[in-house]
Amino acid sequence: QKEVEQNSGPLSVPEGAIASLNCTYSDRGSQSFFWYRQYSGKSPELIMFIYSNGDKEDGRFTAQLNKASQYVSLLIRDSQPSDSATYLCAPGSSNTGKLIFGQGTTLQVKP
Amino acid sequence: EAQVTQNPRYLITVTGKKLTVTCSQNMNHEYMSWYRQDPGLGLRQIYYSMNVEVTDKGDVPEGYKVSRKEKRNFPLILESPSPNQTSLYFCASSLSANNEQFFGPGTRLTVL
Repeated sequence: QKEVEQNSGPLSVPEGAIASLNCTYSDRGSQSFFWYRQYSGKSPELIMFIYSNGDKEDGRFTAQLNKASQYVSLLIRDSQPSDSATYLCAPGSSNTGKLIFGQGTTLQVKP
Repeated sequence: EAQVTQNPRYLITVTGKKLTVTCSQNMNHEYMSWYRQDPGLGLRQIYYSMNVEVTDKGDVPEGYKVSRKEKRNFPLILESPSPNQTSLYFCASSLSANNEQFFGPGTRLTVL
């Protein structure tokens, strides 16, 4: 089992729809969780972080965390073609300093 | 402007010719790390540093060296590059391993 698992996709949604991206992780010690967006050939950039169980909303983005299930998700409402990118899930390090990123989910938003 | 810089951005070299990719940050971050990104394999950590003079192996350290003599700089050294090190490399920095990572623009390395 991979330490951080994401469906690689591509996930294709029509413009205006809700895109749902999922991530599971194996390190129960992780306390912080990050979602990065990466456009092709560019560097990753942070779009959301979450520390506590439940939901966190920021504009069109909602991150959901369930530590008991070791599951974190990202919802993108009213998806736009500019949201087409790869989304990387990254738990923070529990104690070693080592970081593991998910392989990323490629999202395609079709006009 | 707060940023992470990497140089060079593009490099084509030959097998066995030692090279260094520089990384510098101006945010006074304690934590720095190097990643390589390959199609289908995602972003994999090569080495990380939690503070000056403290470095440790990530998931794919073979064939790489790093040093952290100053807080702002974290160079990646390939003593004897091989074609399987052809990849896109990212340097990143953050306050700690539990904070947002700020990434450099990337270095695309080709080893012939």
